[in-house]
Amino acid sequence: GAVVSQHPSRVICKSGTSVKIECRSLDFQATTMFWYRQFPKQSLMLMATSNEGSKATYEQGVEKDKFLINHASLTLSTLTVTSAHPEDSSFYICSARVSGGRVTEAFFGQGTRLTVV
Amino acid sequence: GNSVTQMEGPVTLSEEAFLTINCTYTATGYPSLFWYVQYPGEGLQLLLKATKADDKGSNKGFEATYRKETTSFHLEKGSVQVSDSAVYFCALRISGSARQLTFGSGTQLTVLP
Repeated sequence: GAVVSQHPSRVICKSGTSVKIECRSLDFQATTMFWYRQFPKQSLMLMATSNEGSKATYEQGVEKDKFLINHASLTLSTLTVTSAHPEDSSFYICSARVSGGRVTEAFFGQGTRLTVV
Repeated sequence: GNSVTQMEGPVTLSEEAFLTINCTYTATGYPSLFWYVQYPGEGLQLLLKATKADDKGSNKGFEATYRKETTSFHLEKGSVQVSDSAVYFCALRISGSARQLTFGSGTQLTVLP
């Protein structure tokens, strides 16, 4: 299957700083990328849908000014957690869908464990 | 709304034991159902899927049957291996929707030799 690379896999940052997470589709072009967050013992929750060249669509309750998403190319989307706080500590995972007219399978990155201290 | 409830883990089994991970769902439309697996250090991978009632998805010895009457999609394997140790996620997507998947909370499976 197609490969999605997410970096970094783990990051620890100080409260108040910003962290950028990258999601790359390595061998295919992805017009749409998705960002999820998972708190302990809870489901993966969709945060936002990112379309190449346009603004991301955020799910209800997700602050767009705090979680900045950029999808500047067909192979790269970034999620920046701005002014991070301990409650932002979570597992973040991206997925990318192969370009095409109909809905196709999504491929996932390995996730990023963010710890804010 | 749409939601997925799956069996809480962790689940620990001996090699060659029978595995069942329960998954039930609620959906406002006609969902397709999925099982994803995440091996340590890797991304989620599609394990199997079923797109309509009574369909059976199967892969790598795992099976799940789409049961509309019980709104379930339980994952089963007759004889697990150590290499099956991973986190398993049940998910749904409403057919015809461009929206992404709704996931369960995941079940950690550990298989001991």
